[in-house]
Amino acid sequence: NAGVTQTPKFRILKIGQSMTLQCTQDMNHNYMYWYRQDPGMGLKLIYYSVGAGITDKGEVPNGYNVSRSTTEDFPLRLELAAPSQTSVYFCASSYSRDRGINTGELFFGEGSRLTVL
Amino acid sequence: QKEVEQNSGPLSVPEGAIASLNCTYSDRGSQSFFWYRQYSGKSPELIMSIYSNGDKEDGRFTAQLNKASQYVSLLIRDSQPSDSATYLCAVKRSGGYNKLIFGAGTRLAVHP
Repeated sequence: NAGVTQTPKFRILKIGQSMTLQCTQDMNHNYMYWYRQDPGMGLKLIYYSVGAGITDKGEVPNGYNVSRSTTEDFPLRLELAAPSQTSVYFCASSYSRDRGINTGELFFGEGSRLTVL
Repeated sequence: QKEVEQNSGPLSVPEGAIASLNCTYSDRGSQSFFWYRQYSGKSPELIMSIYSNGDKEDGRFTAQLNKASQYVSLLIRDSQPSDSATYLCAVKRSGGYNKLIFGAGTRLAVHP
């Protein structure tokens, strides 16, 4: 029962480098989310997806891109990394109940800790 | 005004006492409310969801919702040291809206 799997768990980037954080879920959930969490702070929504081929911006999308080609995968791309992107990134998924309504009950991955130097 | 506000704490309570955690939200269109617990260095986990005004109980946890006051709370009865964690309040609008917005969290410390 893997749930939501994120890779890598840790990564150090140099300023200006690019990378992709991988996220996959095996629960057949329609909804997937990327959040970032800075030290001592809550979660800020970066991007989310309501199904394959459909993505939308959250609260803090600048500097990031996403794609959703399959139900299972929702990678987060960082272009031109900046120190302000040093954070812990969480991927999450949720499922729909009656009439396709999103329950909002999130299942989280273990997080990816990114440091940009 | 932040969309979801919580006192950052720390909220310190003795073992066996009731811990009361509060959350206010600004969007009157919000329909779904969640409490997540996050241990240090770990990912959040859902402990309660509430959708209607009133109280919802699950074991030692009670969630309370008052939509008129735009207020949701979490009570933890018989607090244990293992309850020491950060509690995050999250809010979702109704229907086709799928954004879940989190508060900054309240750190709870239960001391023996």
